[in-house]
Amino acid sequence: DTEVTQTPKHLVMGMTNKKSLKCEQHMGHRAMYWYKQKAKKPPELMFVYSYEKLSINESVPSRFSPECPNSSLLNLHLHALQPEDSALYLCASSQLEGRQETQYFGPGTRLLVL
Amino acid sequence: TQLLEQSPQFLSIQEGENLTVYCNSSSVFSSLQWYRQEPGEGPVLLVTVVTGGEVKKLKRLTFQFGDARKDSSLHITAAQPGDTGLYLCAGAGGAGGTSYGKLTFGQGTILTVHP
Repeated sequence: DTEVTQTPKHLVMGMTNKKSLKCEQHMGHRAMYWYKQKAKKPPELMFVYSYEKLSINESVPSRFSPECPNSSLLNLHLHALQPEDSALYLCASSQLEGRQETQYFGPGTRLLVL
Repeated sequence: TQLLEQSPQFLSIQEGENLTVYCNSSSVFSSLQWYRQEPGEGPVLLVTVVTGGEVKKLKRLTFQFGDARKDSSLHITAAQPGDTGLYLCAGAGGAGGTSYGKLTFGQGTILTVHP
């Protein structure tokens, strides 16, 4: 089973709203990732968690706040977003955070900020 | 900064034709992954190649990893409309201090196969 699940599938929010994206995997992977993807472009890395600790933050604005409650769950809290933050947000996981580790992606959350 | 040059960016072909997508870099990668993505969905892993010179086959898809682990190709034989999508190559763990866990993505190839 190489499944990563994400909820919700779609999200529309105003610039003053607070919302959260959720990601779950039950493969025993110890590294989890958040990516942002614009249409027809490759994903851009936002955050990496390794053993539930934040290991990489790619200078993401503070209106995006990640959280890793346990080894299976990863959240992305959203607050005061801008219209340019509209994108497909992807979660991924890998066995470990390592050089030969394959990353498995979830189906994504399509976010529209009005 | 590592770069992975992917070409062509767009490919529009008829059903039954063959095609090749290339990913080239001046950097060495520890592994390289190929993904296929449909609009509004997440990338689906096709293959991971690890060993220089490695060739992997997945039905009509053939993947090669260059001897020096700097380049890779994806060849599709007798393309079908179901092959339509965005193809992404992604290199992991290159030399030169790339952080663990960071993938270097190619720009993607948008493939359209017409019936």
